[in-house]
Amino acid sequence: NAGVTQTPKFQVLKTGQSMTLQCAQDMNHEYMSWYRQDPGMGLRLIHYSVGAGITDQGEVPNGYNVSRSTTEDFPLRLLSAAPSQTSVYFCASSYSWTGGYGNTIYFGEGSWLTVV
Amino acid sequence: EDKVVQSPLSLVVHEGDTVTLNCSYEVTNFRSLLWYKQEKKAPTFLFMLTSSGIEKKSGRLSSILDKKELFSILNITATQTGDSAIYLCAVEPDNNDMRFGAGTRLTVKP
Repeated sequence: NAGVTQTPKFQVLKTGQSMTLQCAQDMNHEYMSWYRQDPGMGLRLIHYSVGAGITDQGEVPNGYNVSRSTTEDFPLRLLSAAPSQTSVYFCASSYSWTGGYGNTIYFGEGSWLTVV
Repeated sequence: EDKVVQSPLSLVVHEGDTVTLNCSYEVTNFRSLLWYKQEKKAPTFLFMLTSSGIEKKSGRLSSILDKKELFSILNITATQTGDSAIYLCAVEPDNNDMRFGAGTRLTVKP
């Protein structure tokens, strides 16, 4: 059981380049989300999805796109990378988005992204 | 705007000390409050709190929620070096836009 798998683990981009952070889960979870973590800022929600074909914006969505064509995959796209997007990115999933299921949120191991 | 504020941001103690970490919040339509421990990689779940005044306990860690005053505390007794980590508080409203605090970095010295 792989849980939540994120790739790549480390990436360096030049300003203006685009890239996709991949996230896959094998637990048949409905809810998937992307966070970024910056020093002194905690985890901030970028986008989330409550099921295949459904996505919504979180706290800091600008500069990022997502799609959810399957239950398993939830890629995060940086359209035109900027130095302000240098951060650690975490993908997370949980069985359901209702009823306070915070204790079943599973995080990926993180992706360290540097934009120069 | 929903927000979660943790204090202190950083704390250094010696093994055997007891620490209290604070989390205050303002959120519309509160559903639950969660505590996570983050060492080198992804956060790991500690507690979920939904009701006021009911202590959750796991070994040397315990937590309680006050929904009237809008805060929670995380206590760690008899601290060990393995408790060194960032402790994150998160609040889950019913619109799924989970908000995390900035975290408290705890360092436990031998």
